[in-house]
Order: sequence, then structure tokens, then C-alpha cells
Amino acid sequence: DAKTTQPTSMDCAEGRAANLPCNHSTISGNEYVYWYRQIHSQGPQYIIHGLKNNETNEMASLIITEDRKSSTLILPHATLRDTAVYYCIVRFKAAGNKLTFGGGTRVLVKP
Amino acid sequence: GAGVSQSPRYKVAKRGQDVALRCDPISGHVSLFWYQQALGQGPEFLTYFQNEAQLDKSGLPSDRFFAERPEGSVSTLKIQRTQQEDSAVYLCASSLVIGTDTQYFGPGTRLTVL
Repeated sequence: DAKTTQPTSMDCAEGRAANLPCNHSTISGNEYVYWYRQIHSQGPQYIIHGLKNNETNEMASLIITEDRKSSTLILPHATLRDTAVYYCIVRFKAAGNKLTFGGGTRVLVKP
Repeated sequence: GAGVSQSPRYKVAKRGQDVALRCDPISGHVSLFWYQQALGQGPEFLTYFQNEAQLDKSGLPSDRFFAERPEGSVSTLKIQRTQQEDSAVYLCASSLVIGTDTQYFGPGTRLTVL
């Protein structure tokens, strides 16, 4: 699976959009971009994934650049409960394919 | 519906003791994964089951670690002769069917080896 690079930490204001960047310059054509988050003392939680097109669900939006070498996770209206470590993971979509977590971005939502 | 559950949530063991950690996946989920998370780091893969078959155990750090899923549902991760470096959170995840791979995680078991 391709390696990802994320900022170590970032702060954002409650009620504002949070934009979390991820670089994955070695991504291959069949690899997907996945985002998980881990709130303190909980297991990781799936957020969203995509291949080429932008994706949106009830939690977030995922914007993938045309060359697929980077992406941005957008939390449209951050709340205090969004404070967590956010992991960007690139992997092939296949049963049994493990998740390879990097260091993630520690996001602190401030009132 | 019920999510992935793990027990115990916390375990303290003396060095050299054996421990057994249990995972109850979401009902009907075929795939089951175990991960180890050291303090301040991201989870790291240990092993993978498809039903009762252990298809990948490449992440198990030593032969002291053993996992089983005999009936294709509940899984147990066993660590023999625990050492201090085994202290970590052990996470279990399951996914629904072959080809659908969103992994749902349990809350983890925090193991402390004294």
C-alpha cells in the first residue's frame, strides 16, 4: 500500500469547516483513499473513502486531486466531538486487506 | 444494532502470565482483524481471519501470540508469557462480506504488563 503524509496536528474553530490534507504521491491506479478517525479511548471509526471522484456522506466530504497524489477531508461544520486523530490510508479495496495506519493528524476543535 | 465488542476492556497482567482477549464481531461479518496499538501510535495489523480460516498472521510479533476463531464468529487473541513490551491496546475489527471491506472496530482491550 502507498505511503501517506499528513500534518501532525491542527486546530480548528467550532462551527467552521475543517480541511485535513493528505499527500499520497505514490498511489497506484487501483488504490483507494480511506479516512478513519479515532476519538480518545475508542476504536477507529470509518469516515469515507474514494477512488477518483469526490465523495460526500453524512460525516464528511473527500476531495481527491485530478492526479490523485493528494486529497483533503472536509468536516463541514466541526463540533467539539470531532476532536480526534484522523488517519488517511491508501489501500487496495479487497477483503482481507489490512489497514496500514500512519501517525495521523491530531485535530483539536476549539470553542 | 450491536457493534463489535471486546472483553475485558482493561487487563493488568504480571510479566510471564498468559492472557486471553476476546472479540465478538458484528453478527454475520465474515472478516475479522486484530490490531495492536502502542501508546501514541497508530494501530498495527496483527492477523486476519476469513470465517474460521486464519489467512494472514504476518503481523504477529512473536510465537507467543496466537489467535483463533474456531467457529467463524468469536475470536480470541492469546498472549503467552507476557512481557512489558506487550503493553498496548488490542483492537478487533470486522467487515461484512467478501469484497465489502469497511472495517468496524471495537473499543479495544488495554493490556498493561507489570
